[in-house]
Amino acid sequence: DAGVTQSPTHLIKTRGQHVTLRCSPISGHKSVSWYQQVLGQGPQFIFQYYEKEERGRGNFPDRFSARQFPNYSSELNVNALLLGDSALYLCASSLGVTGELFFGEGSRLTVL
Amino acid sequence: GENVEQHPSTLSVQEGDSAVIKCTYSDSASNYFPWYKQELGKGPQLIIDIRSNVGEKKDQRIAVTLNKTAKHFSLHITETQPEDSAVYFCAASRDGGSQGNLIFGKGTKLSVKP
Repeated sequence: DAGVTQSPTHLIKTRGQHVTLRCSPISGHKSVSWYQQVLGQGPQFIFQYYEKEERGRGNFPDRFSARQFPNYSSELNVNALLLGDSALYLCASSLGVTGELFFGEGSRLTVL
Repeated sequence: GENVEQHPSTLSVQEGDSAVIKCTYSDSASNYFPWYKQELGKGPQLIIDIRSNVGEKKDQRIAVTLNKTAKHFSLHITETQPEDSAVYFCAASRDGGSQGNLIFGKGTKLSVKP
């Protein structure tokens, strides 16, 4: 069975641009969470979605938004990119709101 | 909000030795404490977790202990092997298992020398 898949794996953007990152959860998983991992740090929670509704939001500015589609895949959008947004963006899925989190390998964003 | 401190930041051991990583948390309402292993170029993988109603949990060479009074928990790896080399993260959550919102420590880079 396929694990959590994320695309793109790497991308480079310039300041002020926007980016869309995509995530496909494990088949049957209904919850998707997004985390930002800056180099040398632990992941930091951005959003959780369950059954297409936002269940939690971390301490990130409104430039960050996300949504979950009827097939449970998800997108993370970041507008007006800043240099500090450079990071590995991790998507994780779980069967329900509770349950083990399975992480994808991430999308590495570099903002120049 | 919750803050999780993790020590040490790097740890080097000889193959076969034990490794211990310690974490402290600030929110007394936290009740779920997972540990993740992250290998280079991969996402974190859950290796063991413990809930606040349990003091210790073991899975083969890996064990976790929790001291709720002191608000700290530890990961113990015995008989370390080179494939244990990775970055390990502790995390805490007050959601009682709603794992979407985890607060992570900064990680410990474990190196196991053959």
